[in-house]
Amino acid sequence: ILNVEQSPQSLHVQEGDSTNFTCSFPSSNFYALHWYRWETAKSPEALFVMTLNGDEKKKGRISATLNTKEGYSYLYIKGSQPEDSATYLCAFTTQGGSEKLVFGKGMKLTVNP
Amino acid sequence: DADVTQTPRNRITKTGKRIMLECSQTKGHDRMYWYRQDPGLGLRLIYYSFDVKDINKGEISDGYSVSRQAQAKFSLSLESAIPNQTALYFCATSLRGAYTFGSGTRLTVV
Repeated sequence: ILNVEQSPQSLHVQEGDSTNFTCSFPSSNFYALHWYRWETAKSPEALFVMTLNGDEKKKGRISATLNTKEGYSYLYIKGSQPEDSATYLCAFTTQGGSEKLVFGKGMKLTVNP
Repeated sequence: DADVTQTPRNRITKTGKRIMLECSQTKGHDRMYWYRQDPGLGLRLIYYSFDVKDINKGEISDGYSVSRQAQAKFSLSLESAIPNQTALYFCATSLRGAYTFGSGTRLTVV
């Protein structure tokens, strides 16, 4: 069974705080790690897809890192804003897994003004 | 127009009824998926299809069936709905690992 663990499961922060979340996944047969941002009543929106150990990607105030050898990825949000409030989903695919995404349970972020 | 369109957006149905959720895409992707989202459980794969003639069961296919009517259309059916199928259902497409999701169908079985 392939398991993706995300922590924490929920987080409440004040506007301006920086946050980081962890996604843990099985390191064997790893192919790619995906981060999504999902707001209620909307489609999950792709943030990053990372494949290489040591990958770092950035989009505005949001960045992510990847460690495939130990099986984890960090997602950072610098200077959180209320519009960052959403559920952040981590998912991975395996080699030979036919692009099927295996998701974690998600991390709900609430940024208070 | 959305790249991946799901209909209906919301549906309430009774136990035992047959219901179909529809998904259509304009991405031109061969690969399509149905996921189910339950609070605290993340998204779980129900069925997936890599082309019109290829249908595969996912992690939680019991109680569901699918039809890939065309490259652009992938429907999910609940033959006899039960209350624990109350959930948010997402359709998605992919090409070379890049996924596009629909906005979801919220299904309530009473």
